[in-house]
Amino acid sequence: AQSVTQLDSQVPVFEEAPVELRCNYSSSVSVYLFWYVQYPNQGLQLLLKYLSGSTLVKGINGFEAEFNKSQTSFHLRKPSVHISDTAEYFCAVSASGGYNKLIFGAGTRLAVHP
Amino acid sequence: SAVISQKPSRDICQRGTSLTIQCQVDSQVTMMFWYRQQPGQSLTLIATANQGSEATYESGFVIDKFPISRPNLTFSTLTVSNMSPEDSSIYLCSVARASNEKLFFGSGTQLSVL
Repeated sequence: AQSVTQLDSQVPVFEEAPVELRCNYSSSVSVYLFWYVQYPNQGLQLLLKYLSGSTLVKGINGFEAEFNKSQTSFHLRKPSVHISDTAEYFCAVSASGGYNKLIFGAGTRLAVHP
Repeated sequence: SAVISQKPSRDICQRGTSLTIQCQVDSQVTMMFWYRQQPGQSLTLIATANQGSEATYESGFVIDKFPISRPNLTFSTLTVSNMSPEDSSIYLCSVARASNEKLFFGSGTQLSVL
């Protein structure tokens, strides 16, 4: 069975600083990996996804993530954050074959301070 | 994209009562999913609701407690029956047009049971 661990429940950072949100997964089969963002009082939005191919995946709003199979990680990064990036970020995994039945991590609250 | 309207957005209910949550999509979708997000925890899949078939429940969730309807390709309901304080959660509807397409999420229903 798959599982996802987000190593930080909260990440405070100053505006224009770089940020990394950590995600580790476990799976005995090939996986698809996702990062979702949830802004206050809004639904989840897909930031980026890894299906196959290049291990560096670029998403919306300047975010990128790197798939590292040997370390079973899929960390999310942004070189310079904005106040508007303040949100809850969820890492998720699904088994190969489709987007169904996503297994989510507990979430990381990114708080960007001026 | 798919625009999802979820109602109610929040409710406070008494123990022993039931609440039905509605999920309306602005376009036809094949797959609909219901998730639960308990306080401080990650999202957990309750069931998959595909039109024309019975809902498929994940381990730990049963139809008597969480009956689901899916009368057409744009609408579904989830009922939380005989509620207890442990049912206090955010309930989220998500949809996908096909098994290999991205998921879209509603903004959720925040349920508090007294």
